[in-house]
Amino acid sequence: QKEVEQDPGPLSVPEGAIVSLNCTYSNSAFQYFMWYRQYSRKGPELLMYTYSSGNKEDGRFTAQVDKSSKYISLFIRDSQPSDSATYLCAIDSGYSTLTFGKGTMLLVSP
Amino acid sequence: ETGVTQSPTHLIKTRGQQVTLRCSSQSGHNTVSWYQQALGQGPQFIFQYYREEENGRGNFPPRFSGLQFPNYSSELNVNALELDDSALYLCASRPGQGTDTQYFGPGTRLTVL
Repeated sequence: QKEVEQDPGPLSVPEGAIVSLNCTYSNSAFQYFMWYRQYSRKGPELLMYTYSSGNKEDGRFTAQVDKSSKYISLFIRDSQPSDSATYLCAIDSGYSTLTFGKGTMLLVSP
Repeated sequence: ETGVTQSPTHLIKTRGQQVTLRCSSQSGHNTVSWYQQALGQGPQFIFQYYREEENGRGNFPPRFSGLQFPNYSSELNVNALELDDSALYLCASRPGQGTDTQYFGPGTRLTVL
């Protein structure tokens, strides 16, 4: 079993839709959870960072962590065509290295 | 922009050759990590440098090596290139060794023929 599992998609939605992206992880020692957005031919950019169970909101983005289920989610409200990108979940075990999921490609059509 | 730059942008090499990729960290960041991202995959951790010493390594063979310089710029060297080394190579810097946010550069796309 991979340490971090993420459905690669692609996920296609119309503009304005609510998007739900998810990852599961296997190691209960993981403590810090991140979502990165990566546009084509670019490096990943950090969207959300959290270290506790519960929700964290930033504008149209909400990150949710459920440590009991080892499940993390990213919700995007009022999705825009500019949100079309690959979304990577990443987990920091506390040893300063990140373990990434494969990434989910999101396509938002106008 | 994250303030992390990488060079070159693209590179084509043949199998068996050696390559050096370069990264300039964000000012004040003394920790740099390198990741390999194959097509359709998430980035995989190669190694990390803190104050010019390697202090963490992923599951990569010794032909992947690195250096960090006093000005916190760094290099990734790959010897005896293999076709499977074709990937986007990313460096990420952060201000310390803890769980501070890592800032990624745009990457170097390496193609091995």
